[in-house]
Amino acid sequence: EVQLVESGGGLVKPGGSLRLSCAASGFSFSSYSMNWVRQAPGKGLEWVSYITSSSSYIYYADSVRGRFTISRDNAKNSLYLQMNSLRAEDTAVYYCVREVVLLAAPDFDLWGRGTLVTVSS
Amino acid sequence: DTQLTQSPSSLSASVGDRVTITCRASQSIKNFLNWYQQKPGKVPQVLIYAASRLQSGVPSRFSGSGSGTEFTLTISSLEPEDFATYYCQQSYSTLYTFGQGTKLEIK
Repeated sequence: EVQLVESGGGLVKPGGSLRLSCAASGFSFSSYSMNWVRQAPGKGLEWVSYITSSSSYIYYADSVRGRFTISRDNAKNSLYLQMNSLRAEDTAVYYCVREVVLLAAPDFDLWGRGTLVTVSS
Repeated sequence: DTQLTQSPSSLSASVGDRVTITCRASQSIKNFLNWYQQKPGKVPQVLIYAASRLQSGVPSRFSGSGSGTEFTLTISSLEPEDFATYYCQQSYSTLYTFGQGTKLEIK
């Protein structure tokens, strides 16, 4: 089955750290660029970070740049998000998302179920 | 960053209605615009990619149009399962962004 499964979410205090993982299965993970997208409770979608298939290019949203680090291990079919200096406003469900490029326009065609990160004292 | 503004933010409609949602970009994004549907408690699913291309498996009552800075998502005849929140998303710039969402509710 083609799927993405996130893990590593939980409750953390402001200023703390957390590492999210995403396990991919059922497709050639090393061939795809990947993203993290988050959604605060009751709010809209916010793109967080992007990494190319070979980790050559990495981008971050302004809201997380300098605090979050995206990485991947193609041998383990896994995507990661290291989150440091967490703030209350980082509270959200974090989705691991596969990117596909059709007609030169990237879109997000496969989403994990998400993992909840709660930042609170 | 490229900002996306959706209108309306919410919309009430009836089964069988024709509905249009607009997404405006703060600068030209050519046709690098995607539409997603999210139902309560579910993950988003892509409906339209590259502004007007229907994702495989998506009903033909959904259509997208536009280029540059103005885009529309149209549902030609609402079905009960279409009541959800819709998001546009641009993939033209390296810093992707989503619109704030349009919640489509039953009248």
